[in-house]
Amino acid sequence: DTGVSQDPRHKITKRGQNVTFRCDPISEHNRLYWYRQTLGQGPEFLTYFQNEAQLEKSRLLSDRFSAERPKGSFSTLEIQRTEQGDSAMYLCASSQSSGRVQYFGPGTRLTVT
Amino acid sequence: GENVEQHPSTLSVQEGDSAVIKCTYSDSASNYFPWYKQELGKRPQLIIDIRSNVGEKKDQRIAVTLNKTAKHFSLHITETQPEDSAVYFCAAPSSGGSYIPTFGRGTSLIVHP
Repeated sequence: DTGVSQDPRHKITKRGQNVTFRCDPISEHNRLYWYRQTLGQGPEFLTYFQNEAQLEKSRLLSDRFSAERPKGSFSTLEIQRTEQGDSAMYLCASSQSSGRVQYFGPGTRLTVT
Repeated sequence: GENVEQHPSTLSVQEGDSAVIKCTYSDSASNYFPWYKQELGKRPQLIIDIRSNVGEKKDQRIAVTLNKTAKHFSLHITETQPEDSAVYFCAAPSSGGSYIPTFGRGTSLIVHP
């Protein structure tokens, strides 16, 4: 499968715990985006990378969230001290440098209890 | 930032009927407008997109029209089939090269056989 992959697909954690998600983009894509999607809503932008550089972050990305893409390939999204409001689907997408056509991964569904 | 409004939120049609979903956007500099289809539990998938230098684009039973003056664009699905049932999202990316999309809230299309 040469599409965008994400791991894990599901994560259940207790409030206050830290979680980390991984995204592997399409190999020739140098842009990588993270989104959050809650029920009945469209994906909401969190942050994006051009190669290893994090170029933009949304106001939604509180200081408990951090994302990295150290070698310009896969990316990780970490949420520290999780809260129940963090429960959502976290989607990753990648694109070529034009940024227009984005291909989404299957998402990681986070449930904070 | 970009503001995207999408209507209707739900749309129920009989198989064979046409379906139309409309979106409006606020940033007159936006120049690329994708539509995504998301089936239950699956990733959003790009189904059609349009750039601002054309007014209409067709791909088999799917078409998108764009009115830049009025700042709205629409998805048209003809001869609907039950497998068209899904949530459809429009998006209007920010101008300036980052192409960070603001998504509409989605339209749940139900096609009754």
